Parts: sequence; structure tokens; C-alpha cells
Amino acid sequence: QVTLRESGPALVKSTQTLTLTCTFSGFSLSTSGMCVSWIRQSPGKALEWLALIDWDDDKYYSTSLKTRLTISKDTSKNQVVLIMTNMDPVDTATYYCARIDRNHYYYGMDVWGQGTTVTVSS
Amino acid sequence: QSVLTQPPSASGTPGQWVTISCSGSNSNIGGNFVSWYQHLPGAAPKLLIYRNNKRPSGVPDRFSGSKSGTSASLAISGLRSEDEADYYCAVWDDSLSGPVFGGGTKLTVL
Repeated sequence: QVTLRESGPALVKSTQTLTLTCTFSGFSLSTSGMCVSWIRQSPGKALEWLALIDWDDDKYYSTSLKTRLTISKDTSKNQVVLIMTNMDPVDTATYYCARIDRNHYYYGMDVWGQGTTVTVSS
Repeated sequence: QSVLTQPPSASGTPGQWVTISCSGSNSNIGGNFVSWYQHLPGAAPKLLIYRNNKRPSGVPDRFSGSKSGTSASLAISGLRSEDEADYYCAVWDDSLSGPVFGGGTKLTVL
């Protein structure tokens, strides 16, 4: 069974750096075709893709947030970490991580974590 | 504003058939496979359709997807009250080098 779980602070202040961890089980990020993606949803807004890392350690970022994001993986711990710098109240959102199994679903995100809510205070 | 355009809302009565459109361009829908997600309040998004028209196991065949050129559609037949949710299309965009989501469509079951 594939599961993912996001963890990180619920509250950060403006200009601070946010570090989120996605801990997963049921698959290996060293297996060809496997990827983990981060997505967020601000209150009342649509889903927004943030970043993706694949089995080969290739990394992809949202063009609008590229300068503020860093994604990395620790295969031995089954974790993917997303770092977002210079947080602003507009970054208040629920942050999700999701698996992408390119062997079966192309870029479809087939399993999602429950999400973690981050509030940015000014 | 997303590069994928969805209608902000759709509605239908129980038992009806409804469709949700997703319009893009050659750099996304025109050259890549489309996915669709159902997002219920307070829950994680759920993959409904991948590779334009494939359903993951467990997704009822009331849900179907199609693609033509630079547009895609999600169809729901035999509408049920539990289908009331937000629906998103998503696709890889070659110009942006990443996935993009549509703006979402709020489906109301009357």
C-alpha cells in the first residue's frame, strides 16, 4: 500500500523559510519512473503545482516560484523535502505531496498525502 | 491565471450526464496526456482519469475522459449527490517544463 504524509510547521512568519517533509512508503524513489511532486491550494483558490523530483534526481519547479523553491530527496529515508524561502502571507495554503508513477499513469498523481496547512503571519 | 481553462462551475440533477471542459494549447494538451482529479472539501485530491481516458482501479465507469486537439473533457454519467466536488484537469506543459492544473470546476448536484 502506497502512502504519503506531509509534515512541517503549521505557522511561519513573513520572510522566514518553510521546510516541508514528505515521508512515503510502499514504493522507492530509486525505482525508474517514480516521482514525488508538491502541490498547494490557497484558500478559495485552485490547485497549484510547485515542484517535482524524479528517480534520477531530476528536479522541476514552477516558473513563478522557481527562485524560492528547492526540492530534494533522501532515498534511504523515503523522504522528499521542499524548502520555500521568503514566505509571505499569500503563501498560506494547504501543501500536498503526491506520487507520480510514470510507468503506469504518465504524470498522473495517483496517491496523495492528506496535506498540511501552513499559515504565514505578517 | 492558469494556462488551462475550465468553466468555474457546472451543475446537474441526480441521474443526469454532465461534462466539464479543459482548454489548453499545443504545448500542453496538444502534445501530452491529460489527467483529471476530484477534490472533495477537507480531503486529498483523487486521481479520476489518466492518459486522457484511463481510469485507475476503483474509479466508477460513470467517469470518462476524452481529448481532441488542444481540449479535453471529463464526463460524468448517472450523476450522484456524492459527485459534488471540485474537478481539475492537469497536464504536462512542455514550455513550462512541469505539470499545470486548470482553474478548477465546482460541480453542484441540484
